[in-house]
Amino acid sequence: KQEVTQIPAALSVPEGENLVLNCSFTDSAIYNLQWFRQDPGKGLTSLLLIQSSQREQTSGRLNASLDKSSGRSTLYIAASQPGDSATYLCAVKRGANSKLTFGKGITLSVRP
Amino acid sequence: DTGVSQDPRHKITKRGQNVTFRCDPISEHNRLYWYRQTLGQGPEFLTYFQNEAQLEKSRLLSDRFSAERPKGSFSTLEIQRTEQGDSAMYLCASSLEGSRTQETQYFGPGTRLLVL
Repeated sequence: KQEVTQIPAALSVPEGENLVLNCSFTDSAIYNLQWFRQDPGKGLTSLLLIQSSQREQTSGRLNASLDKSSGRSTLYIAASQPGDSATYLCAVKRGANSKLTFGKGITLSVRP
Repeated sequence: DTGVSQDPRHKITKRGQNVTFRCDPISEHNRLYWYRQTLGQGPEFLTYFQNEAQLEKSRLLSDRFSAERPKGSFSTLEIQRTEQGDSAMYLCASSLEGSRTQETQYFGPGTRLLVL
């Protein structure tokens, strides 16, 4: 059974800092991995999707990397801003016809 | 593209009552998923549809839960005889499967259910 872990559960950083959010998964046979952002009481917003054959994806200040063999992904946020404060979740998909398995998320607070 | 919409956004009900939620996916998306999320947890998969066919159901989906997607468009999730443990955020997502570059799941705003 796939398990996805995100540690730490919460993180507080000063504005402007570059930061890395970690995600680990137990079964390296994944189809893709997706990073989401969730604001309090809201739905999820997709940030980046990495296919199993890819090593990284970039969108603006965000960069996500994937190391399937070690069961790890990182989300790098450059020059963090207070507006980046939210919960960040990673999720993996085992196959083309399977569901997403989520971690519990990392709640990020960026202090002005 | 107006995104995934869900209705209602909030629902308060008494234990034992039935509730029904609706999800309207992005129009050209052929896959529709239902997830449940409780406080401090990531979303947990409930079920998904490929067009109108329900292809997988989680063991979390007891016989009090039923989902439909008539004509492969909108979907409904019904919970019968609600229990306090059903209180959660119910999230719907849709995706366009078949092209690996387009398999991002897009989520709706969720329906928050409180069972008293």
